[in-house]
Amino acid sequence: DAGVIQSPRHEVTEMGQEVTLRCKPISGHNSLFWYRQTMMRGLELLIYFNNNVPIDDSGMPEDRFSAKMPNASFSTLKIQPSEPRDSAVYFCASSYPGLGGNTQYFGPGTRLTVL
Amino acid sequence: GIQVEQSPPDLILQEGANSTLRCNFSDSVNNLQWFHQNPWGQLINLFYIPSGTKQNGRLSATTVATERYSLLYISSSQTTDSGVYFCAALPAENDYKLSFGAGTTVTVRA
Repeated sequence: DAGVIQSPRHEVTEMGQEVTLRCKPISGHNSLFWYRQTMMRGLELLIYFNNNVPIDDSGMPEDRFSAKMPNASFSTLKIQPSEPRDSAVYFCASSYPGLGGNTQYFGPGTRLTVL
Repeated sequence: GIQVEQSPPDLILQEGANSTLRCNFSDSVNNLQWFHQNPWGQLINLFYIPSGTKQNGRLSATTVATERYSLLYISSSQTTDSGVYFCAALPAENDYKLSFGAGTTVTVRA
């Protein structure tokens, strides 16, 4: 089975532009997570979806960030307008509460650079 | 939330050496995961191990849940083992919020 798929893998944009990151979770997984990794703050949970419904968005930094999950196989994280401090690696992860005990599987990440 | 501490922060090994990484966590956990972040930035699952011992090739892990720590053993290290090793704990009361440690940066020299 394919793992978590993210696109694009790299994104370079200019301040003020809209950025959309995409994620396809592992088939059959009903939980999806967006994380951000920076040198200063490490790995932070931005938002958690369960069965396509946002459950916890307390980690979303501000109104410029939004996330959607229109169906079980697709999610987007949008930043509008983007700022240089948004530069980071954004990971999507998925899990299923089965024998693996909610083990989270991470995608390859999107490295975002905002100039 | 649950606090996760990893030690040592940095480790330099000669190829072929063995090493032990430690992860302490502050509260009861439903799950404990070890990840390897390779030099290309990918986060690779190594183990989910809320308790007991597991082995996968040259890597093994042990979690003693009652004493709130986990150990990751790397035997006969290879240069491809270089990267950052993260421990992440899933608390019992909030079973989706993984708390990550700061990581151990491992450098294996040929």
